Amino acid sequence: EVQLLQSGGVLVQPGGSLRLSCVASGFTFSSSAMSWVRQAPGKGLEWVSAISGSGATTYYADSVKGRFTISRDNSKNMLYLQMSSLGAEDTAFYYCAKDAGPGIGALPGWFDPWGQGTLVTVSA
Amino acid sequence: DIQLTQSPSSLSASVGDRVTITCQASQGISDYLNWYQQKPGKAPKLLIYDASNLATGVPSRFSGSGSGTKFTFTISSLQPEDIATYYCQQYEDLPTFGGGSKVEIK
Repeated sequence: EVQLLQSGGVLVQPGGSLRLSCVASGFTFSSSAMSWVRQAPGKGLEWVSAISGSGATTYYADSVKGRFTISRDNSKNMLYLQMSSLGAEDTAFYYCAKDAGPGIGALPGWFDPWGQGTLVTVSA
Repeated sequence: DIQLTQSPSSLSASVGDRVTITCQASQGISDYLNWYQQKPGKAPKLLIYDASNLATGVPSRFSGSGSGTKFTFTISSLQPEDIATYYCQQYEDLPTFGGGSKVEIK
């Protein structure tokens, strides 16, 4: 069974940093592109970042570019999202997701499955 | 960025009703359009990919159609377990999602 398991929720102060993690099982992790998608409480979905299977290619939404860094450790089946200069606008559930469809070029396609989500709260 | 506009943002229907949600793209995206279901407190689940292809294990009462800028998602006979918010997502460029359509039982 394909599974994505995420680390627990966290509270961080404005301006702080945080690393999210997601461990994958049930598929060949190194062959699969991965993404992070977030959802502010009570709001819609926002794609955040994607990384190719090898880790050589990454993409970011404009809202996080320069502040967030996506990475992976294929030897451990781990996906990460390093977040810095956090603000209240970054408060959200963060989901890791497997890129299950061939996107255009190296871009993400469709996401299946998703992790259970990690709540990141940015507050003093 | 490619904007996706979903309508309605919420609807109430009876069990057994046909439910239709539309997703309008700000520019042509061919059939690079997916649909997800999100139940309260849960992660989204893929239902439809490439506008009209049913994901594995998804009941046949769910369907999708469209191409270019206008897309439709349909539940042919609404069931109590279909109460959720539904999102469209495009991948013609960096992914974006529609604002969501919340489906409730009347």
